[in-house]
Amino acid sequence: DVKVTQSSRYLVKRTGEKVFLECVQDMDHENMFWYRQDPGLGLRLIYFSYDVKMKEKGDIPEGYSVSREKKERFSLILESASTNQTSMYLCASSSIGVGINEAFFGQGTRLTVV
Amino acid sequence: AQSVSQHNHHVILSEAASLELGCNYSYGGTVNLFWYVQYPGQHLQLLLKYFSGDPLVKGIKGFEAEFIKSKFSFNLRKPSVQWSDTAEYFCAVRSGTYKYIFGTGTRLKVLA
Repeated sequence: DVKVTQSSRYLVKRTGEKVFLECVQDMDHENMFWYRQDPGLGLRLIYFSYDVKMKEKGDIPEGYSVSREKKERFSLILESASTNQTSMYLCASSSIGVGINEAFFGQGTRLTVV
Repeated sequence: AQSVSQHNHHVILSEAASLELGCNYSYGGTVNLFWYVQYPGQHLQLLLKYFSGDPLVKGIKGFEAEFIKSKFSFNLRKPSVQWSDTAEYFCAVRSGTYKYIFGTGTRLKVLA
């Protein structure tokens, strides 16, 4: 089974802190994604990466950055956390190539910024 | 911009009722279509997916979806829901090689 593991289920951080959310996948997937999930807004793409050291902005990249130094690991960084970044953060991975390649999700990190 | 619309935000049904959740997408090219489910406290799981071929797709737990190209729709159906189907359901489209675009979700509550 594909496994996407996020380092924390719950995090509480203070405004202005630098926050790191870590994600690891074990299926050698090329693509990795960070989404945030908010009630009534669904999943919104923050950043995605299609290869090591490669990244592209999603729909809501402001206030976030990412790092992908190894194929299996994709980190989301909140440079200076703000209360409006309180949310559920979901990491996902998928393969490329022919066929239907669904995204596999981690269990999510619920971040509260106080 | 590509988008996915889910028309029903909250649905309440009694057990054994039939379910249909609407999904429309805006992308005109070749797409992969997905329905995901998120049970309370759990991660997103794939229900079913469509790429090509038979437009009626069967998934897990008795769910099915019909792709209607002319309507840009991919509606999810289940003939008879159970209490355990209480969850949030997300429609998604993948365009190109990378991006998955999700709808806003539909919260389904099934009354026992």
